Amino acid sequence: EAEVAQSPRYKITEKSQAVAFWCDPISGHATLYWYRQILGQGPELLVQFQDESVVDDSQLPKDRFSAERLKGVDSTLKIQPAELGDSAMYLCASSSYGTDTQYFGPGTRLTVL
Amino acid sequence: KQEVTQIPAALSVPEGENLVLNCSFTDSAIYNLQWFRQDPGKGLTSLLLIQSSQREQTSGRLNASLDKSSGRSTLYIAASQPGDSATYLCAVYSGGSNYKLTFGKGTLLTVNP
Repeated sequence: EAEVAQSPRYKITEKSQAVAFWCDPISGHATLYWYRQILGQGPELLVQFQDESVVDDSQLPKDRFSAERLKGVDSTLKIQPAELGDSAMYLCASSSYGTDTQYFGPGTRLTVL
Repeated sequence: KQEVTQIPAALSVPEGENLVLNCSFTDSAIYNLQWFRQDPGKGLTSLLLIQSSQREQTSGRLNASLDKSSGRSTLYIAASQPGDSATYLCAVYSGGSNYKLTFGKGTLLTVNP
């Protein structure tokens, strides 16, 4: 069964450093989502792509976060510089165009020291 | 702004018991409601999706109901098993011009053998 791939699974960094996360959606899925999940909370949407275009990045802290999906396939989420409050699980999900079911990857657990 | 609340925050039951998880949302103008399961340190797995025009959906031992007008949903788990232990998240798909999933904080379920 096809799955959403994410790497790395775990990342420990010091504050002010740069970090990057990678996501490879299920083949053929046009829509890609990045979520942030703080411990004990539900996921919160950071950015949504339709193919290579950003559909919604209203909750993305644009002073330090950036996301790209250059060829409309895999995607990278970057944080520069990382802050202590960025410690969270970063989840990637994908869905087929016109459908509502999102398939989630295993996530990247970020710890900022 | 859509807000989703889940009660209880945690629930512990003996194996074999039937149980109900509750979800409420503030804006009834939803497109659909989804229930997810999350195992510790893992991504989310979609369990059930109820369209706004539907009243319930069933999958195996799981039954989800939706009362859109009152802003409520329940997830019923029959004959619980230790393997059902996980966090269950409710999410609503809403937002007017750009739909997105808004999640609750989840209910942590423990089924004791």
